[in-house]
Amino acid sequence: AQKITQTQPGMFVQEKEAVTLDCTYDTSDPSYGLFWYKQPSSGEMIFLIYQGSYDQQNATEGRYSLNFQKARKSANLVISASQLGDSAMYFCAMRGWSQTSGSARQLTFGSGTQLTVLP
Amino acid sequence: DGGITQSPKYLFRKEGQNVTLSCEQNLNHDAMYWYRQDPGQGLRLIYYSQIVNDFQKGDIAEGYSVSREKKESFPLTVTSAQKNPTAFYLCASRVETATNYGYTFGSGTRLTVV
Repeated sequence: AQKITQTQPGMFVQEKEAVTLDCTYDTSDPSYGLFWYKQPSSGEMIFLIYQGSYDQQNATEGRYSLNFQKARKSANLVISASQLGDSAMYFCAMRGWSQTSGSARQLTFGSGTQLTVLP
Repeated sequence: DGGITQSPKYLFRKEGQNVTLSCEQNLNHDAMYWYRQDPGQGLRLIYYSQIVNDFQKGDIAEGYSVSREKKESFPLTVTSAQKNPTAFYLCASRVETATNYGYTFGSGTRLTVV
C-alpha cells in the first residue's frame, strides 16, 4: 500500500517570499516517483516538478524545487519568490502501486494544500 | 497541439440516470486513467486502461463503467448505481519511454446531480 500525506490544508505567504509545502509518503515499492501538481480554481492539473526515488540530486524547475529526504520519506515543494498567480491548490502525488490496483503505475494523491499569496 | 479533451465541461444528471463523460487524447499514449475529486480532497482512481480493449478497476470503481475500444478514447459512464456522483472528474494519460515519462490531464468535467 502507498500513501501520501499533506498536513497543511491551507498556507499563506507574502508575495516575493519563499514557501515550503510539506509532503510525506509511505510505500514499500523500492522504485517510485514523486510529483507535484498545481490546480487553480479552473480545475486543470498543472505539472510542476518530478523526483525519482533513485535521483541523487533534488529536482529543480525554475522557481520550484523539491526537497527530497528519502530516509525521512519526505518530498517538500519549495516555491521561491512567490507570485500572486501561485495562489492555487497544490497536490503531492506518487507513482507506484495501489493497494487494490496492482502495478498500474497510477498516481496516488495527497489531500492537497491551498496556497494563498498575499499582496 | 497534442492533449486530452474532456467533454462536457459541466454536466447535470437527474437521479436514476446514466451519463457518459468523454475523454479523447491525441498524444498516442497507451495508458489512460479516470480520477474523481471531491471538494477539498485529492484525486481517487476510478478505472484505468493500459492498452486497447483492456481496463481495470481502481480504488472506487463501484457505480462506474468504462470502455477502451480505441487508443484515443476512454469514456466513463456514471451509472444510477453510483449513490453520490456529484464530483469533479479528471481524465489522464501516461507516457513512458526511455526518454520521457509523465502524465497529462484533461481539464475535467464537473458533474452535478439535480
